[in-house]
Amino acid sequence: DQQVKQNSPSLSVQEGRISILNCDYTNSMFDYFLWYKKYPAEGPTFLISISSIKDKNEDGRFTVFLNKSAKHLSLHIVPSQPGDSAVYFCAAGGGADGLTFGKGTHLIIQP
Amino acid sequence: SAVISQKPSRDICQRGTSLTIQCQVDSQVTMMFWYRQQPGQSLTLIATANQGSEATYESGFVIDKFPISRPNLTFSTLTVSNMSPEDSSIYLCSVHIRTGVLTEAFFGQGTRLTVV
Repeated sequence: DQQVKQNSPSLSVQEGRISILNCDYTNSMFDYFLWYKKYPAEGPTFLISISSIKDKNEDGRFTVFLNKSAKHLSLHIVPSQPGDSAVYFCAAGGGADGLTFGKGTHLIIQP
Repeated sequence: SAVISQKPSRDICQRGTSLTIQCQVDSQVTMMFWYRQQPGQSLTLIATANQGSEATYESGFVIDKFPISRPNLTFSTLTVSNMSPEDSSIYLCSVHIRTGVLTEAFFGQGTRLTVV
């Protein structure tokens, strides 16, 4: 059973517009959530995280929104840039446990 | 943040042999984790490695196949033993850093293992 789901395998966005990446989870025991960006042949790069007691966290062009009642989070990238093209992973964790990852969304920024 | 040096970055190994992957962190961390990313898949947690205690393995992973050492708060190794082609994956180490209510998790560059 997949506890963290990213239902869009890919997303294409025009440069300068907003990219919205979505993630759903099923385990209500998760108490923090993270977003990563990954290029081929590299480790995941941490982007932003959010605690379950918050509903929004912002860092530069990246904002993560958490809707606990819907068990849904999203990553907004504004404005989207060509260097943002990568695979984005949503991950969730609780306590001292390791992370549970979604399958990723391939974001393509078009000029 | 934390900077993690992982090596080797890649290796091609014969089936039946073993490979040890090393991770060095630039600061002392309590929680260290090992993950695997099989081709076309997401990251899957193998085990949690905490200093001073035995590693805790996730379902489907066993100590005989993936022995882990954690001799201090900045270093850990994962060994992939008696390798078969099915072990061909990217292996990654990770550390968690908690600051107030925020948890951040950082990864090494990964070890791309090909078993032939």
